[in-house]
Amino acid sequence: GAVVSQHPSRVICKSGTSVKIECRSLDFQATTMFWYRQFPKKSLMLMATSNEGSKATYEQGVEKDKFLINHASLTLSTLTVTSAHPEDSSFYICSATGGGGRTEAFFGQGTRLTVV
Amino acid sequence: AQSVAQPEDQVNVAEGNPLTVKCTYSVSGNPYLFWYVQYPNRGLQFLLKYITGDNLVKGSYGFEAEFNKSQTSFHLKKPSALVSDSALYFCAVPNDYKLSFGAGTTVTVRA
Repeated sequence: GAVVSQHPSRVICKSGTSVKIECRSLDFQATTMFWYRQFPKKSLMLMATSNEGSKATYEQGVEKDKFLINHASLTLSTLTVTSAHPEDSSFYICSATGGGGRTEAFFGQGTRLTVV
Repeated sequence: AQSVAQPEDQVNVAEGNPLTVKCTYSVSGNPYLFWYVQYPNRGLQFLLKYITGDNLVKGSYGFEAEFNKSQTSFHLKKPSALVSDSALYFCAVPNDYKLSFGAGTTVTVRA
């Protein structure tokens, strides 16, 4: 149990376009979902926290208008990278908590975004 | 604020040898501590956690970790490493509602 599915695993888009990444908790209701960005061989940088039905809380320095987060249900959160630029190319990972009262977070498989 | 530190960027061991990945923590009160592993181009997989109770915690894939209060450490161990254990390892601690991660340790197990 406690599976988090992230889609797509890989996406290439043109500069200036928008890309949507989905994060689903498959067998539990995720009270909170988190979005991270990871640079090569580096730790995870938390971008934002989302709770179902409320606005996301963004970390300092993360552009809210560029990285749109929607948490429409207890099993789905989406991250949309708007007007993507090459510097947005990165590995994005979501995680969710709330699985059966467990304290640990569960992570999606990650999305490799390449903006050309 | 709660935090963890991983003092080693990289750990290299030969297959069959013991593997240790170090983590120290700075927390107020009783700590919750986690270990995660990340394989290339994948998300993080939960390995084990310490909440309370026994200082030796057993987890997935033959890993265990020892909680040491006097040394404020939570080192990850495996008695006999496999080539397939080569990955990036993170320790983590809850910080408010978020997880704070260490910088990560790249483990390479050579055949």
